[in-house]
Amino acid sequence: QKEVEQNSGPLSVPEGAIASLNCTYSDRGSQSFFWYRQYSGKSPELIMSIYSNGDKEDGRFTAQLNKASQYVSLLIRDSQPSDSATYLCAVNKGGYSTLTFGKGTMLLVSP
Amino acid sequence: SQTIHQWPATLVQPVGSPLSLECTVEGTSNPNLYWYRQAAGRGLQLLFYSVGIGQISSEVPQNLSASRPQDRQFILSSKKLLLSDSGFYLCALIPGQGGNGYTFGSGTRLTVV
Repeated sequence: QKEVEQNSGPLSVPEGAIASLNCTYSDRGSQSFFWYRQYSGKSPELIMSIYSNGDKEDGRFTAQLNKASQYVSLLIRDSQPSDSATYLCAVNKGGYSTLTFGKGTMLLVSP
Repeated sequence: SQTIHQWPATLVQPVGSPLSLECTVEGTSNPNLYWYRQAAGRGLQLLFYSVGIGQISSEVPQNLSASRPQDRQFILSSKKLLLSDSGFYLCALIPGQGGNGYTFGSGTRLTVV
């Protein structure tokens, strides 16, 4: 069983729409959850972190966590062509423990 | 804020040649350091991590090795490269005072030919 699963996509949305990216994880001991954005040929950059059940909003981004369902999602409102990238979900057991990444979902935002 | 320096940005090496990739850190002391590889069509694979000078944990048995000779220096090496070693190598850190997820370096794209 894969530890962190994401739909590889591509997920195509028109400019201005809401993009919804999903991630499931297998380790119930996971405590910290992260979303990274990776542009083609570049290294990942952290865009959101979430540690407790519920929603966390930062600008156009909202992370949602449901530990009972072992599910994390990222919503991007008012999607822009510059949001076109691969979005990586990552989880760990907290503190300095290592991050386990999903393979990522490619998002394409068309003008 | 922390900064990670990785070089070179791209590298083309023949099969059987040695490899040395260096990662240096600024802006923090006693960071946790990590080497990840991202191969084409695959996710980020943790190769090694280090919690301090001389302390290396290996996640995947292979022909690669890592060393941490100084607090802010992390080196990835191989004596003989394989074609399967091709990929995007990323150094990452969690600062010594703790932090919110990893910070990644800019990466080295290695092609073994």
